[in-house]
Formats: sequence, structure tokens, C-alpha cells
Amino acid sequence: QVQLVQSGAEVKKPGASVKVSCKASGYTFTSYYMHWVRQAPGQGLECMGIINPSGGSTSYAQKFQGRVTMTRDTSTSTVYMELSSLRSEDTAVYYCAREYRSGYPDWGQGTLVTVSS
Amino acid sequence: DIQMTQSPSSLSASVGDRVTITCRASQSISNYLNWYQQKPGKAPKLLIYVASSLQSGVPSRFSGSGSGTDFTLTISSLQPEDFATYYCQQSYSTPRTFGQGTKLEIK
Repeated sequence: QVQLVQSGAEVKKPGASVKVSCKASGYTFTSYYMHWVRQAPGQGLECMGIINPSGGSTSYAQKFQGRVTMTRDTSTSTVYMELSSLRSEDTAVYYCAREYRSGYPDWGQGTLVTVSS
Repeated sequence: DIQMTQSPSSLSASVGDRVTITCRASQSISNYLNWYQQKPGKAPKLLIYVASSLQSGVPSRFSGSGSGTDFTLTISSLQPEDFATYYCQQSYSTPRTFGQGTKLEIK
């Protein structure tokens, strides 16, 4: 069965960076795009961007351009999302999600990132 | 970016009720519309993909319809486990965008 296992919760100071990992198993890693979605406390879902694990190409939402970097390691079937210049508004749960037939049937468990001085 | 607008933002209903949630896209997205259910503290769960296809394992009381800019999610007979927040999402273009959510509460 498909599993996406994310790294643990993080607490960061404003201005710092955070790197969240998402390890995939149960399917051919390079065959499906991976997306990153975040959800601030009590708020809705927000797509941050997408990575093609096959070639590593990425597409980021304009809101995050210049601050987000998505990468992958095919040897460990892991994708990463790094967000820099953190501010309090970046406090959120960050999810990876596998795209399949246009939807996201598989999600990681979520990683809480707290930005606080 | 394509804007997705859901209505209503919240809804009170009773077990056994038929419920409809609507989603409108700011431009045509063909049938590239997905619906998710989210419960507190959990990741979203895919219910419907490409507007009307039922995700494996999802009860048949959930159905979706629409194309172009207007879409609906219908729950034919609400069950206690259906009280949650529902989101639509377009997968026509990047960045993918979600509606603001519809919170379905028990009346």
C-alpha cells in the first residue's frame, strides 16, 4: 500500500529556514508527481507547488516563489520541501500528497511547523 | 491563478438529510475538479476526482457532477461520520487551488 511518511514537527525562529521530508513507499516513486499543501491553524488548504520526482522539475505557486525549494532523492524515494525567510504566518501543518488521476488519494501525516520568537 | 469559490461556507443538517455543496471556478476547468473531506487533526481524504468519479472505498452516497465552471457535491443521506469540512480543488492548471471549505455541522 502507498505510504507517505513525513518528518517530525519543527519550531523555528522568524527568518530561519525549515526543510520537511516526505518518504514514499508502495509505488514507483518516479511515476507520480508530488505536491506540497499547507494548512494554517483553523484555515483552509493551500497548494505550495509540485515536483516531478522523475526529472526533478518543479512548479511553485507565485506566493512562495523565491522562498520555497522542492527537491527529491530517488535513491531513498524522498521528496523535500524547504521554506526560507520564515515568518509567523508560515505557522502551519505541511502535507505532501501524491497525485494520481488528477486527485490526491495519498497524503502524508502532516508536519507542524511553528514559527515563533 | 484559478479561484475556487464554495457555497455555503457552513451548513447545518441532520442525519438522513440530502446535502448539496457547490463550487464555482473563475474560469473553465473542464472536469478537472476534485472533492475532499477533512476531519479535525487529519489529512484530507479524496472523495471524488475529475468531477464525478468516486474514489475507491468511498460510500456511494457521495456523488459529484458538473463541468466547465460549476460543480456540485451531493451526499444523498447524511451519516454521523459525514460531519466534517469539505473542499473542492481544481486540477486543471498549476498552482492547484482549493475552495475555502464548507463546514458541515450537525443540526
